[in-house]
Amino acid sequence: NFMLTQPHSVSESPGKTVTISCTRSSGSIANNFVQWYQQRPGRAPTAVMYEDNQRPSGVPDRFSGSIDSSSNSASLTISGLKTEDEADYYCQSYRVFGGGTKLTVL
Amino acid sequence: EVQLVESGGGLIQPGGSLRLSCAASGFTVSSEYMSWVRQAPGKGLEWVSVIYRGGNKYYADSVWGRFTISRDGSKNTMYLQMNSLRVEDTAVYYCVGVDYGENLFDPWGQGTLVTVSS
Repeated sequence: NFMLTQPHSVSESPGKTVTISCTRSSGSIANNFVQWYQQRPGRAPTAVMYEDNQRPSGVPDRFSGSIDSSSNSASLTISGLKTEDEADYYCQSYRVFGGGTKLTVL
Repeated sequence: EVQLVESGGGLIQPGGSLRLSCAASGFTVSSEYMSWVRQAPGKGLEWVSVIYRGGNKYYADSVWGRFTISRDGSKNTMYLQMNSLRVEDTAVYYCVGVDYGENLFDPWGQGTLVTVSS
């Protein structure tokens, strides 16, 4: 089985752009689609990206996703940061979840 | 509107048993892939189990042999029977719909807290 590794935390200022990485430990990142979930405190996760780069209905186009085979990783990029984007973000591929990244919007 | 509502969580002693329920509305449990995902306090998400539309069931190694996933189409409800509970099973348990490729986990219930402690 493989693991997905995310940075523990990232921070950036409102209006800026932040990228959260998710690195697969074994097997190609392209073997399975990557999804991203946003989780605010005390709430259930909600999907902000699916199938590597597809946004669910209602997710603003400030959110984008990609995969990079050379680094065997996926990325979630949030542009035009808003304070409401402050949350924990999890990547997921098949039955495996990353450890989560706490995004702080200063 | 699709809604999943979990129930059955609570405080239980190590070695005990508990059954979680997930009642669905706007969503037919027997026609979909359904999963349980848990989150220990202050920790990340962990996949627990999945039941396929055809009835196949799969479990994480950490719960294999102790937990059983099932569903009742007549009640449109999914269950997680948890036996031989351990302190490390303490978590919020989420009921989640899954797409057929086991890619997108959506929708999520609000979760139910299971605390295993003496």
